[in-house]
Amino acid sequence: GAGVSQSPSNKVTEKGKDVELRCDPISGHTALYWYRQSLGQGLEFLIYFQGNSAPDKSGLPSDRFSAERTGGSVSTLTIQRTQQEDSAVYLCASSLARSYHEQFFGPGTRLTVL
Amino acid sequence: KQEVTQIPAALSVPEGENLVLNCSFTDSAIYNLQWFRQDPGKGLTSLLLIQSSQREQTSGRLNASLDKSSGRSTLYIAASQPGDSATYLCAVNTGGFKTIFGAGTRLFVKA
Repeated sequence: GAGVSQSPSNKVTEKGKDVELRCDPISGHTALYWYRQSLGQGLEFLIYFQGNSAPDKSGLPSDRFSAERTGGSVSTLTIQRTQQEDSAVYLCASSLARSYHEQFFGPGTRLTVL
Repeated sequence: KQEVTQIPAALSVPEGENLVLNCSFTDSAIYNLQWFRQDPGKGLTSLLLIQSSQREQTSGRLNASLDKSSGRSTLYIAASQPGDSATYLCAVNTGGFKTIFGAGTRLFVKA
């Protein structure tokens, strides 16, 4: 079956602009995660959705970052007023239920803020 | 606070060699540990998932072990091939949603 998909694969934007990144999880996966991977850095947890529960936003680095998940499926990560330090690869993962299940990752969106 | 360390940071071996990648974690109270592979410019590919009650998992030429009491996991790759060249990441889940990743080991297998 189809894996996790993300779009766009690459995004170049100017400082101060807003961007939206999309994640389409594996069908039937109720848990969805967003991570950020900066150049030469490890993966940084951003936000977690589980079913219809309120998301855990404790990893979001600032209030310029927000995410939503519509209908328990597709998720959108929005970064407002982008800064150069937001440049990174944004990875989305999904799993069957709670996070003790195996996580499957999408190919990521490479964001470059000029 | 859970911390995950991977040693070595980089490794270069000739083709055919058996090798071991190490992952250590500071808090033994984990739900599971997952090994991933990441190719340059790509997302993560899941290799093996070991639940906290398990000691090892095998898939093809890969074998991962878990010793919770000592806070260690190893990924054994048998008969390495140039196609195994990638960055290998381990990640521990401590319950809830938080997954903590190591910084990875960059592996290069020379033909």
